[in-house]
Amino acid sequence: AQSVTQLDSQVPVFEEAPVELRCNYSSSVSVYLFWYVQYPNQGLQLLLKYLSGSTLVKGINGFEAEFNKSQTSFHLRKPSVHISDTAEYFCAVSRPNDYKLSFGAGTTVTVRA
Amino acid sequence: DTAVSQTPKYLVTQMGNDKSIKCEQNLGHDTMYWYKQDSKKFLKIMFSYNNKELIINETVPNRFSPKSPDKAHLNLHINSLELGDSAVYFCASSPMGQGKAFFGQGTRLTVV
Repeated sequence: AQSVTQLDSQVPVFEEAPVELRCNYSSSVSVYLFWYVQYPNQGLQLLLKYLSGSTLVKGINGFEAEFNKSQTSFHLRKPSVHISDTAEYFCAVSRPNDYKLSFGAGTTVTVRA
Repeated sequence: DTAVSQTPKYLVTQMGNDKSIKCEQNLGHDTMYWYKQDSKKFLKIMFSYNNKELIINETVPNRFSPKSPDKAHLNLHINSLELGDSAVYFCASSPMGQGKAFFGQGTRLTVV
């Protein structure tokens, strides 16, 4: 079975500073990787996904992530955050043709002025 | 138009009651899911349906019974509610086998 570990439970950051959220996964087979964002009292929204191909994936709202197979990582980055990026971020993994996502425990990002 | 909609958004009920949460998706997806998010925000799959057939049942108590009348709907019925059932329940859908899921806004269930 596949699993995901998000290495940071909380990340405080100042507005316009860069941010990196770390995600490691474990799986014995090829996987798909995802980052989702959950704004307060809302559902989850897909930020970006890696299915295959280029290891650098660009998503919405200026986020990007890099798939590193040798380090089994899929870290999320944004060069300059806004107050509106304050949210919970979830890394998730699934296998091709699987019927579920396995989520990490989430990282709370708090952006301060 | 809302892609995945679930109702109600909030549900407060007493222990022992039976309640249902409804979910509908207008994306034409084959696969629908129920996820549970606990008080620590941890998300875990409960059920997965593909073309109205149950694919995944992740050791959920049998007080929880999903029903999929058609591909676009997946409802969740909960019998004999317990305090520990308090959580946010998310419905989601995806194209078959692609993992990329679209989530509803969630139903915050509070059992008192």
